[in-house]
Amino acid sequence: DADVTQTPRNRITKTGKRIMLECSQTKGHDRMYWYRQDPGLGLRLIYYSFDVKDINKGEISDGYSVSRQAQAKFSLSLESAIPNQTALYFCATSQNTEAFFGQGTRLTVV
Amino acid sequence: GENVEQHPSTLSVQEGDSAVIKCTYSDSASNYFPWYKQELGKRPQLIIDIRSNVGEKKDQRIAVTLNKTAKHFSLHITETQPEDSAVYFCAASRANSGYALNFGKGTSLLVTP
Repeated sequence: DADVTQTPRNRITKTGKRIMLECSQTKGHDRMYWYRQDPGLGLRLIYYSFDVKDINKGEISDGYSVSRQAQAKFSLSLESAIPNQTALYFCATSQNTEAFFGQGTRLTVV
Repeated sequence: GENVEQHPSTLSVQEGDSAVIKCTYSDSASNYFPWYKQELGKRPQLIIDIRSNVGEKKDQRIAVTLNKTAKHFSLHITETQPEDSAVYFCAASRANSGYALNFGKGTSLLVTP
């Protein structure tokens, strides 16, 4: 079944560490997105990519960077993690309008 | 940028009653309005969507209405069932931003038997 897969599913890291969250998809979609979910705040867009050569900042890109290594892979990096980046992170893909989400990565920064 | 407001933040109904969740948006260029359902510990999943050239859309027990002039849209769930209990998110997006979604903050719906 075509899907969106995130790794790791859970991660605890220390303040100041660099961490990468990975997303891969077998749906063949061109567009990929990274969202962050915090209780009471909904999902907020961090970065999005139309294709390998097109990366765009979202609403809350500060402190994050991304890499689109291939059509199927889109990674999110926290250069120097801080506690307020503790959240549930979702990757999503779309080809037209409907977005399909990965299972999420729960990140805790201590 | 786009700002999406969603109300109420929590909603409790009796099984069989109707539930209504309302959203407003600020960007008149937004032209696609999906609703996502997120069950506890799960990923968000699309339940219904509407484009700006349509005023209403229905799929079995769920319906969405859109008022472009007032910039608001609503989700209606009829004959609610306990399995409808979840967090519901509205979103607004537009074609020239790749349909990147701007979400409301969510409504936690509880349907009690």
